[in-house]
Amino acid sequence: DVKVTQSSRYLVKRTGEKVFLECVQDMDHENMFWYRQDPGLGLRLIYFSYDVKMKEKGDIPEGYSVSREKKERFSLILESASTNQTSMYLCASSLMAESYNEQFFGPGTRLTVL
Amino acid sequence: AQSVSQHNHHVILSEAASLELGCNYSYGGTVNLFWYVQYPGQHLQLLLKYFSGDPLVKGIKGFEAEFIKSKFSFNLRKPSVQWSDTAEYFCAVNGRGGDKIIFGKGTRLHILP
Repeated sequence: DVKVTQSSRYLVKRTGEKVFLECVQDMDHENMFWYRQDPGLGLRLIYFSYDVKMKEKGDIPEGYSVSREKKERFSLILESASTNQTSMYLCASSLMAESYNEQFFGPGTRLTVL
Repeated sequence: AQSVSQHNHHVILSEAASLELGCNYSYGGTVNLFWYVQYPGQHLQLLLKYFSGDPLVKGIKGFEAEFIKSKFSFNLRKPSVQWSDTAEYFCAVNGRGGDKIIFGKGTRLHILP
């Protein structure tokens, strides 16, 4: 079974703090993704990575950056947290394939910025 | 650009009722289609997927979905829902050969016991 783990289930930070969200997958997947999930807005892609040290902006990258130094680990960084970044953050991974690209999700990190 | 539209944001049904959740997508090429489900407090998980072949796809827990190419639709169905089907359901599309999946905004389903 694919396992995607995220470092924290709940996180509370203050405005202006630098925040790191960590994600690890154990199935040697090439692709990794960060989404935020907000009620009524579904899942919105922040960044994704298809290889070590490679990254691509998603639909809402502003205010975020990412790091992928190892294949199994993908970090989301909030350089200076703001209250509008309060959300549920989901990490996912998938194989790089010509066919279908089912994504496997972690449990999510609920971040509150005060 | 790809997009996914889910018709219902919130659906309330009684147990044993039949379910159909609408999903339409916008994409010019060959697609892969997915339904994901998120039960309360749990991970987002795959319910079923369409890749190729038979357009009627069967998934876990008695769910099925039908791909109608001419209508750009991939509606989710279940003939008789249970209280345990209470969850949020997301339709998603991926252009063949691409790595990104585009998700709809989700449908919250409440089943009354």
